[in-house]
Amino acid sequence: DQQVKQNSPSLSVQEGRISILNCDYTNSMFDYFLWYKKYPAEGPTFLISISSIKDKNEDGRFTVFLNKSAKHLSLHIVPSQPGDSAVYFCAAAVTGGGNKLTFGTGTQLKVEL
Amino acid sequence: KAGVTQTPRYLIKTRGQQVTLSCSPISGHRSVSWYQQTPGQGLQFLFEYFSETQRNKGNFPGRFSGRQFSNSRSEMNVSTLELGDSALYLCASRGASGGMPSSDTQYFGPGTRLTVL
Repeated sequence: DQQVKQNSPSLSVQEGRISILNCDYTNSMFDYFLWYKKYPAEGPTFLISISSIKDKNEDGRFTVFLNKSAKHLSLHIVPSQPGDSAVYFCAAAVTGGGNKLTFGTGTQLKVEL
Repeated sequence: KAGVTQTPRYLIKTRGQQVTLSCSPISGHRSVSWYQQTPGQGLQFLFEYFSETQRNKGNFPGRFSGRQFSNSRSEMNVSTLELGDSALYLCASRGASGGMPSSDTQYFGPGTRLTVL
């Protein structure tokens, strides 16, 4: 049972445009959400996170939006750069649940010149 | 500060063998988690160790086991390997106990690529 879903396995955008990556979850116990970026042959690196008490968190070019009623979150990258080309994973956690993260299957983002 | 290190980086085994993977967390980090990454499945949580105790466990068979030493280094063992165990095994460390998620998030190592023939 996939509790965190990323329904788009791949996304292609032009340099300078906005990239929007989407993530849905089913477990209403999740109250903390994270996005990780992964390059080939490297481990995932943390990008940005959001607590369920917020609906938006921004860090430079990256903004995460959370819609709790829809159990949906999205990552916006503006403007997209070629170096952003990577696999993006959405992850969810439960406060007090230790450090267990439940990940989505990832979206391969390709930023084209 | 040195990052999370995992050894070996690549491993080839045959069905039925057993394997041990090693993870050294960031200095001062006491929590170590293990994940399996396979195509189409994303990262799946195996288990977490904190202060030498297993604190969380994912839905994997008993062939997958782990332990943590007093210096926080962790090992993961897979016995009686199956073809489906071929995957990238990632280790992540975190300083906080995990009671309240914060920006002090988990840091991942580069992984061990296990191939079972």
